[in-house]
Amino acid sequence: DIQMTQSPSSLSASVGDRVTITCRASQSISSYLNWYQQTPGKAPKLLIYAASSLQSGVPSRFSGSGSGTDFTLTISSLQPEDFATYYCQQSDSIPNTFGQGTKLEIK
Amino acid sequence: EVQLVESGGGLVQPGGSLRLSCAVSGFTFSNYEMNWVRQAPGKGLEWISYISGTGNTVHYADSVRGRFTISRDNARNSLYLQMNSLRVEDTAVYYCARRGTYRHYDYWGRGTLVTVSS
Repeated sequence: DIQMTQSPSSLSASVGDRVTITCRASQSISSYLNWYQQTPGKAPKLLIYAASSLQSGVPSRFSGSGSGTDFTLTISSLQPEDFATYYCQQSDSIPNTFGQGTKLEIK
Repeated sequence: EVQLVESGGGLVQPGGSLRLSCAVSGFTFSNYEMNWVRQAPGKGLEWISYISGTGNTVHYADSVRGRFTISRDNARNSLYLQMNSLRVEDTAVYYCARRGTYRHYDYWGRGTLVTVSS
C-alpha cells in the first residue's frame, strides 16, 4: 500500500497569512493526488484534484502543486472559514490512502 | 443537485451486524464508481471499500476484508455496506463517496455513525 505523510500535523496561523501544507507519497503516484478540507462534524470537502485542479466552487486562494511523490497545498491568504483539518489522498492505486491530516488553527 | 444520504448506523454489540445504505440522487448512478470511507472518533479518514459502476469489481481494506461486503443496486440508486463480525475498533462515522473522472472523491454524504460497544 502507498503511504501518505503530511506535514506539519498541526499549524497555527493568522487571518491573511500564506500557508503551505506538504504531502509525500511512499512511491510515485504521478498526479493522482487530491486535497480535502474537513470542519468538525462535517463531511470532507474536495478542494483540489489531480494535484493542481481546483474543484468547482472552491475559492482561488487555494492551489495545489507537485507530481511524483511530493505535493503541496497552498492557501494564499487565510480566511476565518479556512481553519479546518486538511487531508491529502492518493488515487493512483487502491487502497486510496489518506494522509494523517493537518489541523490548521487560529494563532 | 447531487445528493448522497447514508442511513443504517446505530449501536451494536461486538460480533453483531449492520447494513448501511447510501441513497443517491442528481446523477446517473450506474456511471460512477463508489466508495465507503470511515472516520473513527477524533481520528483521520480511512478508505474501506470500492465498487465499480456495474458492481462487478470490488475492493476492501485489509481491516475489513472478509467481514464487510459492498454492493449496489443501480435500479434503486443505492449503495450498501453489509458489516458482519463487528469489532469495537469499527466504531466510526461511515461516509459514502462518489469517485469522479480523475479518481477523486467529488461528492460525499453526511455520514452515519456506527458504535460497536457492549
